[in-house]
Amino acid sequence: GQQVMQIPQYQHVQEGEDFTTYCNSSTTLSNIQWYKQRPGGHPVFLIQLVKSGEVKKQKRLTFQFGEAKKNSSLHITATQTTDVGTYFCAVNSGNTPLVFGKGTRLSVIA
Amino acid sequence: EAGVAQSPRYKIIEKRQSVAFWCNPISGHATLYWYQQILGQGPKLLIQFQNNGVVDDSQLPKDRFSAERLKGVDSTLKIQPAKLEDSAVYLCASSWGQLGTYEQYFGPGTRLTVT
Repeated sequence: GQQVMQIPQYQHVQEGEDFTTYCNSSTTLSNIQWYKQRPGGHPVFLIQLVKSGEVKKQKRLTFQFGEAKKNSSLHITATQTTDVGTYFCAVNSGNTPLVFGKGTRLSVIA
Repeated sequence: EAGVAQSPRYKIIEKRQSVAFWCNPISGHATLYWYQQILGQGPKLLIQFQNNGVVDDSQLPKDRFSAERLKGVDSTLKIQPAKLEDSAVYLCASSWGQLGTYEQYFGPGTRLTVT
């Protein structure tokens, strides 16, 4: 079945530093979604990428979809303590259900 | 707009006992999902409903897990008998459509501890 790898598994940054997490698939994807889960909370949808090479921005967050539609990245500029949580990518190919990665847990040290 | 409702929020049972979880999706959402999230892992899809029909249950351990969505609205997930490895958070989610292009709205989850 569909497999997706997220790296790194953990990331500790000083407040104000940048952060990037990567999502990689061995197969071509139809689309990719990103979710954020705060500690003790539930996943919350952030964004969806569909087109090859697509770049979308949400304030300090930048999302990219690779040209080959096999990988994606989420970059946070100047992290804040409110960015703490686990960031998941969820992918699918064709009409298959979404498959979630294991996530990257971000800790921000004030 | 009310979010996805789940109950109970917490449940502690002994192994070999049975347990049931309830989910009420966002009004109008045709698709309902049950996920299992083990600590430190991403959500793993157990079953997906489109209205009252099953779209995907390939990862549901059918010897002990069952789920239903009889009227195409709310849903229940049951485990009988429970094993220690079933300890996890069970998340319910809903979306407008069944394709993977629809964003999913998650409920607060039920944290199950099996002792």
